[in-house]
Amino acid sequence: EAGVAQSPRYKIIEKRQSVAFWCNPISGHATLYWYQQILGQGPKLLIQFQNNGVVDDSQLPKDRFSAERLKGVDSTLKIQPAKLEDSAVYLCASSPGVGQEAFFGQGTRLTVV
Amino acid sequence: RKEVEQDPGPFNVPEGATVAFNCTYSNSASQSFFWYRQDCRKEPKLLMSVYSSGNEDGRFTAQLNRASQYISLLIRDSKLSDSATYLCVVNERNFNKFYFGSGTKLNVKP
Repeated sequence: EAGVAQSPRYKIIEKRQSVAFWCNPISGHATLYWYQQILGQGPKLLIQFQNNGVVDDSQLPKDRFSAERLKGVDSTLKIQPAKLEDSAVYLCASSPGVGQEAFFGQGTRLTVV
Repeated sequence: RKEVEQDPGPFNVPEGATVAFNCTYSNSASQSFFWYRQDCRKEPKLLMSVYSSGNEDGRFTAQLNRASQYISLLIRDSKLSDSATYLCVVNERNFNKFYFGSGTKLNVKP
């Protein structure tokens, strides 16, 4: 079974530039998550989708971050404009159903300089 | 207050040692519990689910105390390859939300 696919793996941008990340969840997984993980911390939920609807985006900095999941399958997360403090690993995860484990992609390591 | 709290460590133990990690959670509505392992610069991967009756998988034993809102992970006969960060994860079923602790770092030394 193919896992969660993410791209790119690494990205270096200057502050105030924009960047986009892509995620393709495991086939059939209705729930998709975007997490931000800063070095030394646990993953922090940015946004959660159920199919193509948003379940929770309470911790998404909406002045600069946006995400969509068109057609309830793959998803993109965008940052515009980026700040230095956005340097982190952005993890995408998907889950097959309530109470079942979340499967993670390899993440995108973003460095903002 | 954080949803999930863990001791960040690091725990530095010799090979063959037994080590235990603890985790507390704040939401009594939490229904499912997991331990994930995260190697350096890698994504988190499921180590084991935690069941109410406790469960064991080889050298790993997980326990849940719902009354105290407390989860534990015991690793027996530690191996060098056990060196990693262990994340305590709580799932709130109503919205299938996962809450992660900050992780406990384990270093197993020869």
